[in-house]
Amino acid sequence: NAGVTQTPKFRVLKTGQSMTLLCAQDMNHEYMYWYRQDPGMGLRLIHYSVGEGTTAKGEVPDGYNVSRLKKQNFLLGLESAAPSQTSVYFCASSYPGTLAPLHFGNGTRLTVT
Amino acid sequence: AQRVTQPEKLLSVFKGAPVELKCNYSYSGSPELFWYVQYSRQRLQLLLRHISRESIKGFTADLNKGETSFHLKKPFAQEEDSAMYYCALTKTGGSYIPTFGRGTSLIVHP
Repeated sequence: NAGVTQTPKFRVLKTGQSMTLLCAQDMNHEYMYWYRQDPGMGLRLIHYSVGEGTTAKGEVPDGYNVSRLKKQNFLLGLESAAPSQTSVYFCASSYPGTLAPLHFGNGTRLTVT
Repeated sequence: AQRVTQPEKLLSVFKGAPVELKCNYSYSGSPELFWYVQYSRQRLQLLLRHISRESIKGFTADLNKGETSFHLKKPFAQEEDSAMYYCALTKTGGSYIPTFGRGTSLIVHP
């Protein structure tokens, strides 16, 4: 049981390049999330999904797009990377419900030069 | 909208000292509160939630609705407690999307 798996673990991009981060979960969770973690800013929600085929904007969605074509996968895309998107990205998943805890991936460290 | 405030970015204590990581929230309804922890080079994981009223790794947290707080406490800190701690809130009803505080880095010196 792998839980939540993120790929890649590290990536360096040049300004203007594009990339996709993949998140996969094997817990049959309905909800999936993408967060970014920056020093002093904590965890900020980028986008989330409450089910296959649905996505919604979080707190800091600009510059990112997401897709949830399959229940177990949640993709985060950067169409034209900017240095401000240098961050550690975390994917998480959960069952729906107020008491449901989030299960996190190991994170992707992205540097945009 | 709900909000979670962790006023301390960094908390530094010596081994054996008591620890209190502060968490305050603003939400007009009845929230569910959580503490998550991230040890060095590990993924974020749930530490405890208020509904369980449990003690995990010696940590406890009491929901104080009057003061809108959910502080995390441990009577005697250990070096292995050094980590990043996040307080999170989920609304009862609605979309269940949690709101996180900015986190507190706890360093326990030997």
